[in-house]
Amino acid sequence: SQKIEQNSEALNIQEGKTATLTCNYTNYSPAYLQWYRQDPGRGPVFLLLIRENEKEKRKERLKVTFDTTLKQSLFHITASQPADSATYLCALYGGSQGNLIFGKGTKLSVKP
Amino acid sequence: EAGVAQSPRYKIIEKRQSVAFWCNPISGHATLYWYQQILGQGPKLLIQFQNNGVVDDSQLPKDRFSAERLKGVDSTLKIQPAKLEDSAVYLCASVIGNEQFFGPGTRLTVL
Repeated sequence: SQKIEQNSEALNIQEGKTATLTCNYTNYSPAYLQWYRQDPGRGPVFLLLIRENEKEKRKERLKVTFDTTLKQSLFHITASQPADSATYLCALYGGSQGNLIFGKGTKLSVKP
Repeated sequence: EAGVAQSPRYKIIEKRQSVAFWCNPISGHATLYWYQQILGQGPKLLIQFQNNGVVDDSQLPKDRFSAERLKGVDSTLKIQPAKLEDSAVYLCASVIGNEQFFGPGTRLTVL
């Protein structure tokens, strides 16, 4: 069956360091992958989209990579700040259902 | 630009009662989704609308859940009767291009 895994439920890092979050998938051939940020009590907010034929995408301090051979996406936040603390969700589009399938998310905590 | 509006924000009911959620998407967005997000999980799609037509309701528990989008704008999601396992946040999202814009959600607690 199709499966999406975000490798850790929680990640704690020090301010100024780079946060790296992982999203792995199996039995899936996504047309694209998205990353969302979700704060407590709020809906997810779209951050970045990367297509299957793209290796890397950047937006300000954010960088996403997509390796369709490894079936993995990495999400990086450089020079992290306490305000970056949130849950980050990866979502894949494509496959048999033709809709977004979300991972469980990784809760990032950036300590000052 | 106004975002996706949802109401109520919170609802507490007893099992076997019924409940309804309302969503007003961003103006002009033809595609609308309802998701269920259980604590500690990612959003799970319940139903997709394109204008006022249903595109995908394969994951909607149709014995108790129903949804409609009259006139292709506002949408309502109903649960009747509710079960304990329906406790979750119900999110509405409208879409432009490949980007989904989510509302704040309705937190449902079933006692």
